[in-house]
Amino acid sequence: GQSLEQPSEVTAVEGAIVQINCTYQTSGFYGLSWYQQHDGGAPTFLSYNALDGLEETGRFSSFLSRSDSYGYLLLQELQMKDSASYFCAVTSGSGNTGKLIFGQGTTLQVKP
Amino acid sequence: EPEVTQTPSHQVTQMGQEVILRCVPISNHLYFYWYRQILGQKVEFLVSFYNNEISEKSEIFDDQFSVERPDGSNFTLKIRSTKLEDSAMYFCASSLYSGEETQYFGPGTRLLVL
Repeated sequence: GQSLEQPSEVTAVEGAIVQINCTYQTSGFYGLSWYQQHDGGAPTFLSYNALDGLEETGRFSSFLSRSDSYGYLLLQELQMKDSASYFCAVTSGSGNTGKLIFGQGTTLQVKP
Repeated sequence: EPEVTQTPSHQVTQMGQEVILRCVPISNHLYFYWYRQILGQKVEFLVSFYNNEISEKSEIFDDQFSVERPDGSNFTLKIRSTKLEDSAMYFCASSLYSGEETQYFGPGTRLLVL
């Protein structure tokens, strides 16, 4: 089967750094994405890793280790507006059709 | 900035009725997707669509579901005979290339089946 594991909840204070881990077990792995979702809203793309290593985009960074089937999202200089759900998602499928398999999501609460 | 749009934003229907959810993907995108999210749960893949045919579908996407691109701009999801368990938020997404790192999601249609 295909599964992704990520923590259900994380709490941090403004200005802090938080890391959200994701482990996956899927077939036909092409890459790992991270999406942000505010209550009732659409998932918004944050980052994508196809190769091992760290990708940095402003305050957000994402890491992938294909050999460990593991990745993480690093959020720095946390702001109140970062309170949201964060989903890791694997691009999977037999023919790279773009199918995204999502994790259960991590609810991040940023406190003042 | 181009965006994916969806209509309606909310739909309430009686069990057994047919519903059509509409999406307008980003204009130059070639790959289209439907996902659903039951309240409080993860986003689940339903179907991907390219070149006027389904390229992949999930186990959820059974015979009651169908997709269509009736013209050059719209992409629709039809549920023929709705069930209570079809109540969910339905998201349309599009990307320029298959496996494109970024899929752009629409705001969703919240479907409630009574």
